[in-house]
Amino acid sequence: QQQVKQSPQSLIVQKGGISIINCAYENTAFDYFPWYQQFPGKGPALLIAIRPDVSEKKEGRFTISFNKSAKQFSLHIMDSQPGDSATYFCAATSSTDSWGKLQFGAGTQVVVTP
Amino acid sequence: NAGVTQTPKFRILKIGQSMTLQCTQDMNHNYMYWYRQDPGMGLKLIYYSVGAGITDKGEVPNGYNVSRSTTEDFPLRLELAAPSQTSVYFCASSWTSRTYEQYFGPGTRLTVT
Repeated sequence: QQQVKQSPQSLIVQKGGISIINCAYENTAFDYFPWYQQFPGKGPALLIAIRPDVSEKKEGRFTISFNKSAKQFSLHIMDSQPGDSATYFCAATSSTDSWGKLQFGAGTQVVVTP
Repeated sequence: NAGVTQTPKFRILKIGQSMTLQCTQDMNHNYMYWYRQDPGMGLKLIYYSVGAGITDKGEVPNGYNVSRSTTEDFPLRLELAAPSQTSVYFCASSWTSRTYEQYFGPGTRLTVT
């Protein structure tokens, strides 16, 4: 079963709008939560990541919000641009995993309309 | 620096055929991973490796095999291809398990008919 649940499956947002993608997990051992961005025909690439000792991390127009008690985290894309159209994956892993294995969510396809 | 390269980009196999998906990285990364990506399912880990000669099964290893004889190469072998193996396959690598950033190749789109 999916260890990281991601929603929505897809979303359409107008240019300049805010895209919000949510993820939830059950495994309390998870302590690192990256987001990957994938453009059509390409492999995923790391976008931004957070550890549970902070509640928010911002990099440019991308912000991760983290709620440890609810075991949820989300990605906000502010001022969405057509170039942000991509599939976004949340992921989680634990520092106790010596192999660095990531558990990925199912992905969210984001389409930003001009 | 080419990063992670994968060949072929596309392949059509008949049921029962075998093939090897190639993966090479030039970043001297110790850790390498094979994933499959199916629509609405995210990325599922097939096999991973921590260095030459050391591999282990991931979440969905059935029908696949791997080997790692060098730091650079991590080929994925499909024996007796089945329609359920129709997918996009990604190879990834990382410097250590603690950096957590995995670098992905461009993928191989495989169709089994």
